[in-house]
Amino acid sequence: EDKVVQSPLSLVVHEGDTVTLNCSYEVTNFRSLLWYKQEKKAPTFLFMLTSSGIEKKSGRLSSILDKKELFSILNITATQTGDSAVYLCAVEQVGGGSQGNLIFGKGTKLSVKP
Amino acid sequence: NAGVTQTPKFRVLKTGQSMTLLCAQDMNHEYMYWYRQDPGMGLRLIHYSVGEGTTAKGEVPDGYNVSRLKKQNFLLGLESAAPSQTSVYFCASTRGTSGNRYEQYFGPGTRLTVT
Repeated sequence: EDKVVQSPLSLVVHEGDTVTLNCSYEVTNFRSLLWYKQEKKAPTFLFMLTSSGIEKKSGRLSSILDKKELFSILNITATQTGDSAVYLCAVEQVGGGSQGNLIFGKGTKLSVKP
Repeated sequence: NAGVTQTPKFRVLKTGQSMTLLCAQDMNHEYMYWYRQDPGMGLRLIHYSVGEGTTAKGEVPDGYNVSRLKKQNFLLGLESAAPSQTSVYFCASTRGTSGNRYEQYFGPGTRLTVT
């Protein structure tokens, strides 16, 4: 059975801390891995990772994929209260009857305290 | 450019009632998806469409039907609502998956309660 597992499920840190969120997967017909940030409403796109070992960065956020060990991490440095959200990891499937379908993990709820 | 919009934002139904959720996108995207999000379950794919006039089942399709009569619209129907369908429903769209890879853009969600 295809699955995406995120850890931890929730995390509380203080402003300025650095956090690492984990995502492991067992998915057939892997095409890419995506990270989304979900605050009150719609998930908003952060990164798409397709190749191992290539770090993607956007400001204080960065992410990397390991296709051999089947996991990805999302790092947030110098956290701010605005980083408080649920972070979703999803794996895109293509082929075998799937067409860009995303399999989501349950998310990591990050709370950043002032 | 409104992106992905969903109608309605909230709805309360009685068991056995029917309703249709509308998703619209103005980005000329080929692929559209309907997900449901439940506490502790993450997002799960209900149905999806790879183009106008096509639909396919996702992970949790039972109790739902969909139609894609126009490229920009993707409708999700509940013929006879059940309390187990209480959830937040998200629509998403993407340009396509052949060749280049594109992220999915999500709508703001519809909170549905079935009593």
